[in-house]
Amino acid sequence: DAGVTQSPTHLIKTRGQQVTLRCSPKSGHDTVSWYQQALGQGPQFIFQYYEEEERQRGNFPDRFSGHQFPNYSSELNVNALLLGDSALYLCASSSDRRTPNNYGYTFGSGTRLTVV
Amino acid sequence: AQTVTQSQPEMSVQEAETVTLSCTYDTSENNYYLFWYKQPPSRQMILVIRQEAYKQQNATENRFSVNFQKAAKSFSLKISDSQLGDTAMYFCAFMKHEGSGGYQKVTFGTGTKLQVIP
Repeated sequence: DAGVTQSPTHLIKTRGQQVTLRCSPKSGHDTVSWYQQALGQGPQFIFQYYEEEERQRGNFPDRFSGHQFPNYSSELNVNALLLGDSALYLCASSSDRRTPNNYGYTFGSGTRLTVV
Repeated sequence: AQTVTQSQPEMSVQEAETVTLSCTYDTSENNYYLFWYKQPPSRQMILVIRQEAYKQQNATENRFSVNFQKAAKSFSLKISDSQLGDTAMYFCAFMKHEGSGGYQKVTFGTGTKLQVIP
C-alpha cells in the first residue's frame, strides 16, 4: 500500500520564477493538505483540497495556489518566488470516509525548495 | 486561533532511559485532538500518538505515553526505554474536532530535537 508520494524531492529556483510541486495521496485517501516547513520551524498549513476544490486555507498570499485532479493527486503552485519561500513543502493526505484503520493524516517526505 | 508551544528546543537521553517532552497549547475549543509527530532525517512526519480531548484516559502506544492535563492545557510525551531510532525532531500538534468539513488543519509547535546517546 503506497504512502504519500511527493515530487521532486529537491529543486532550486531563482527569485521571481514559478514552481509546481506534486503530490499523490495514499491509496484510499481523497483529501490533500499542503504545509510549509521553514528551517527549524514546525509545519504551517497552506491549504486543503477535497473534491477538486480548496476547502480550507491558511495565512498564505495568493501567490500560493493549488489544484486537485479527479484521481485525488494535487499540485502546489507558487508564483513570483521570494527568498523566504525556501522551505520544505509537505503534503498530507486523509480520507473523509472514516474507519478505525483509516484515521488522520499521512505525510509525505516533502519537497525541499531552495530559492536563490 | 490555536497556538502550540514547545519550550525545549533540544533534549538528550541515554539509551534505555526515559525522557519527557513538554507541550502546552492554547485554545477556546472544547473538542479537539492532540498529537505527537516524529520527524527523522528522512523528513517524513510520522504519527507517534494521539489523544482525543474528550477522553480522560491518557493514550499509550508501546513505549510512548502522554500526560494530558486538559485544564492546564498541557500535553507531554514520555518515551520509555529510549532507543537510538528515537533520535528525531518531535512536534506537538493540535487539531479541532472535525465536523462536516472533514479533517481540520493541524497546528504544530516548533519542535524538540531529541538525541538518544548510546
